[in-house]
Order: sequence, then C-alpha cells, then structure tokens
Amino acid sequence: KQEVTQIPAALSVPEGENLVLNCSFTDSAIYNLQWFRQDPGKGLTSLLLIQSSQREQTSGRLNASLDKSSGRSTLYIAASQPGDSATYLCAVSDTNAGKSTFGDGTTLTVKP
Amino acid sequence: KAGVTQTPRYLIKTRGQQVTLSCSPISGHRSVSWYQQTPGQGLQFLFEYFSETQRNKGNFPGRFSGRQFSNSRSEMNVSTLELGDSALYLCASSLGLAGFSNQETQYFGRGTRLLVL
Repeated sequence: KQEVTQIPAALSVPEGENLVLNCSFTDSAIYNLQWFRQDPGKGLTSLLLIQSSQREQTSGRLNASLDKSSGRSTLYIAASQPGDSATYLCAVSDTNAGKSTFGDGTTLTVKP
Repeated sequence: KAGVTQTPRYLIKTRGQQVTLSCSPISGHRSVSWYQQTPGQGLQFLFEYFSETQRNKGNFPGRFSGRQFSNSRSEMNVSTLELGDSALYLCASSLGLAGFSNQETQYFGRGTRLLVL
C-alpha cells in the first residue's frame, strides 16, 4: 500500500527566504507526482506535475524534483512571499492502485 | 474557462439522513474523482468516474456511492450519515483517467463542507 509522508508538518519562515518542502513515498511504481497548494477553506490548486520519467519541473519561483528510485520529491520555493502561505500537498499517482495518494501536507507561513 | 464547480458549498445534516453532492467538471474533461478530507485522515480517495463508469474505488463503505452523467457531471451520495462523515468533500476533474496516466493534471473544485450533527 502506497504511503506518502511530508516533512515538516509546519514551517514558518521570514519573507525572502528560500525553502524546501519534502515528500517521500514508499512505492516507486508511480505514473506521476503532483504538488498542490491549498488555502484555508478552499480546494486544491495544482502547482507542478512531474511525470515518472522526468527529474524536475519548474514554474516561476517553484521547482520540484523527483527521485523515483529513492521515493523522494522536493518542492523548492525561491524568495518566499507572504502570499505563499498555504498548505502544500504532494500526491503520487499509483500504477498499482490506479489512484492518487496524498500526503498530509506541510503548512507554510511566510512572515512579512 | 470555468473551473470545477461543486454545489452546495456547505451542508448541515443529521445522523441517519442522506446527502447528494454535485460536481461539474471543466468543460471537455471526462474524468471526475472524489476525495474526502478530514483533519485526522487527510485527503482520501473515494472513487473516479470516466465516461459514466466507475473506474476505481477507494476504501470506503458502500454508503458512499456516485454516478456520472453523459455530460460528465457527477454526483456523490452518502446514505445513513454518521458523525464521522463530517468532512470537506472535494472533486477533481481531468481530461483523461487521472489514475492511469503519467500526465493527467487534476483540477480541484472548492469543495463541499458537510457537517453531520
């Protein structure tokens, strides 16, 4: 059974810092890994999707990497801003189960 | 282009009642997946529908059911509500089957928050 773990559970940084969020998964048989952002009381917004054959994806200040063999992904946020404050979730699309398994998320607070 | 629309946004029900939630996917998307999000269990997969057929199902009791119509809109039904069913229910749409593809991005609605008293 696929398990997805995100560390840390919460993170607080001053504005302008670069930061890394971690996601690990137990079964490397995945189609893709997706990073989402969730604001309080709202749905999820897709940030980046990395296919299983890819190593990384970039969008603006965000960079996500994938190391399938070790079961790890990182989301790098450059020059953080207060507007980046949200919960970040990673999800892996599992080839065995045909569904996405989500981590519990990292709640990020960026202080002005 | 309109996003994923879920209705209603909020619901309050009592134990034993049943509830139906609705999800309208992005135009052109044929897959709709449903998730339950609770503080204790996080985000858990309920089921995915594609072309009016349930393609995959999570580990939820039979009280949770769904269907998809020919226009790809989907409904989820929960019968005999229990207190533990209180949660944020999210639906996500994608062009193709989200669970069987390496490149299908899922787009989420804002969710329906269900409170069972």
